Amino acid sequence: EVQVVESGGGLVKPGGSMTLSCAASGFTFSNFNMNWVRQAPGKGLEWVSSISSSGSYIYYADSLQGRFTISRDNAKDSLYLRMDSLRVEDTALYYCARDRAPEEWEFSFFDYWGQGVLVTVSS
Amino acid sequence: DIQMTQSPSTLSASVGDRVTITCRASQSINKYLAWYQQKPGKAPNLLIYKASSLETGVPSRFSGSGSGTEFTLTISSLQPDDFATYYCQQYKTYSKTFGQGTKVEIK
Repeated sequence: EVQVVESGGGLVKPGGSMTLSCAASGFTFSNFNMNWVRQAPGKGLEWVSSISSSGSYIYYADSLQGRFTISRDNAKDSLYLRMDSLRVEDTALYYCARDRAPEEWEFSFFDYWGQGVLVTVSS
Repeated sequence: DIQMTQSPSTLSASVGDRVTITCRASQSINKYLAWYQQKPGKAPNLLIYKASSLETGVPSRFSGSGSGTEFTLTISSLQPDDFATYYCQQYKTYSKTFGQGTKVEIK
């Protein structure tokens, strides 16, 4: 069974940092592009970042202004999101999602999602 | 970035109704469009991809159509389990934008 499980969320002060993790199982992680998507409380879905299967291609939402870093460790079947200079508006449920793109240089829709991890940025 | 606009934002309907949700893209996205269903406290669930391809396991009462800039999600006969929020998403560009969502409520 395909599973992705996020961890690492919690409460952080504005200006602080946090790293989210996503543990994958039930599929060959190194064959799939992966993504982070967030959802602020009571709001819609916002794509955050994507990384290709080997890590060669990485993209971010313009709104992040260079504060977030996506990475992966294929040996550990894990995806990460390092978040720096956090702002109150970064408060959201962060989802890890698998991409169904057939090729590493393509990006596609999301076929499996984790249950999300809550990040709260507050003083 | 490509902007995605859904209408309506909220829809009230009864069990058995035919329901249609529209999604418009600010520029052509060919057929690079997916639809997701999200229930309260749950992760989104893929329903449709490539504008009209039904994801495995999704009931056939769900269908999608459209290309270019205008797309629709149709539920042919609304069931109690279908009351949820629906999102469209374009994936023509690496910046995969979502619509703002359409909440389907019980009338």
